[in-house]
Amino acid sequence: DIQMTQSPSSLSASVGDSVTITCQASQDINNYLNWYQQKPGKAPKLLIYTTSDLETGVPSRFSGSGSGTTFTLTISSLRPEDFATYYCQQYDSLPLTFGGGTKVEI
Amino acid sequence: EVQLLESGGAWVQPGGSLRLSCVASGFTFSGYSMSWVRQAPGKGLEWVSSISSSGSSTYYADSVKGRFTVSRDISTSTLYLQMIGLRAEDTAVYYCAKPPLWSRSTFDYWGQGTLVTVSS
Repeated sequence: DIQMTQSPSSLSASVGDSVTITCQASQDINNYLNWYQQKPGKAPKLLIYTTSDLETGVPSRFSGSGSGTTFTLTISSLRPEDFATYYCQQYDSLPLTFGGGTKVEI
Repeated sequence: EVQLLESGGAWVQPGGSLRLSCVASGFTFSGYSMSWVRQAPGKGLEWVSSISSSGSSTYYADSVKGRFTVSRDISTSTLYLQMIGLRAEDTAVYYCAKPPLWSRSTFDYWGQGTLVTVSS
């Protein structure tokens, strides 16, 4: 199974800050990497697919990059509605696996 | 508008059984694979199972293989997850999820989730 390790597990930031979350895969996943945002009590929401493609309707302050085994999600100029938990997910092979999550707090 | 509505979650004792349902609308159900993803209380996301668009192929996480069965009814646009031999570690919110046309393993729509609690 491919292990996905996210860091940090949590971070504190202020409105207007730029934050970066890292996701490390245990092997090359050929850029088959998605990012989701989840707010308390809600289902996850797809933000970015295939490493860097922005899902329709997602603000451009969200961006993704990376290759091989190391990937990043960057949120530039944090807004109040961005405070949530973020998960990466690999879809290179089954079983599909998610990172442990990064909680972005005020 | 795509909608996924799960139901069937409940409290059940260890060793018990439960069947979850997910009614889909707003898209051509028969054209998409579908999946179940769960989330234990306060924990992260875990993929559980997927089924091909035709229902002929099914896939499971090792943690549920042999105990859970995924199926689908095209006539009613319903996805199912039959769960037997439930364990405390199966306690979670179970989401059904739909992929975009270009992928089977990315999830662009999720249901609201249904809670399964396994406890004596």
